[in-house]
Amino acid sequence: ETGVTQTPRHLVMGMTNKKSLKCEQHLGHNAMYWYKQSAKKPLELMFVYSLEERVENNSVPSRFSPECPNSSHLFLHLHTLQPEDSALYLCASSRGTILAGELFFGEGSRLTVL
Amino acid sequence: AQRVTQPEKLLSVFKGAPVELKCNYSYSGSPELFWYVQYSRQRLQLLLRHISRESIKGFTADLNKGETSFHLKKPFAQEEDSAMYYCALGPGGTSYGKLTFGQGTILTVHP
Repeated sequence: ETGVTQTPRHLVMGMTNKKSLKCEQHLGHNAMYWYKQSAKKPLELMFVYSLEERVENNSVPSRFSPECPNSSHLFLHLHTLQPEDSALYLCASSRGTILAGELFFGEGSRLTVL
Repeated sequence: AQRVTQPEKLLSVFKGAPVELKCNYSYSGSPELFWYVQYSRQRLQLLLRHISRESIKGFTADLNKGETSFHLKKPFAQEEDSAMYYCALGPGGTSYGKLTFGQGTILTVHP
């Protein structure tokens, strides 16, 4: 598999559940990202990891907890979410700090919180 | 604060007609500007960036710092250009891909 792969593609969870989204990149990139795409809102940056170190946390509620065990894998742990957290969560990667604006996106995980 | 505005949510043109997707930005420093595209049932992907000054699939975009605009243009639209287009702004330098996206414009090219 090449590129950026996200699992699961669809997830339905209750507000008391704990679940995780997984992202894997096969591009040899050094930076990985979580973006959130809600209906009628632009893509919003949530977290940035560079060389497994978190370099950005865009005021995201603590019910979203990222984890980057190595440069190829990124997780988003979810717990006690709210219905307004229902959205498409996109993972992306880039080569690193130089010309980092070229992001390679996954297909997204569609999350529905009941 | 960074902001990207795409004033048109929907844009329809006929095949062969010129097309221009508007993008205005707000940023106090030296930004990097990008256009991303999402075709039906495909993932979001980079179309072009202003520093490359290249034409991709017949599209060009010029950064106008005076007007703080980065409009995407193509002289002759094709049906396969139908897609969602996002303008994005990065803070430049070691930006770690921290992009601010516009709302997006859905382009439909009719036969």
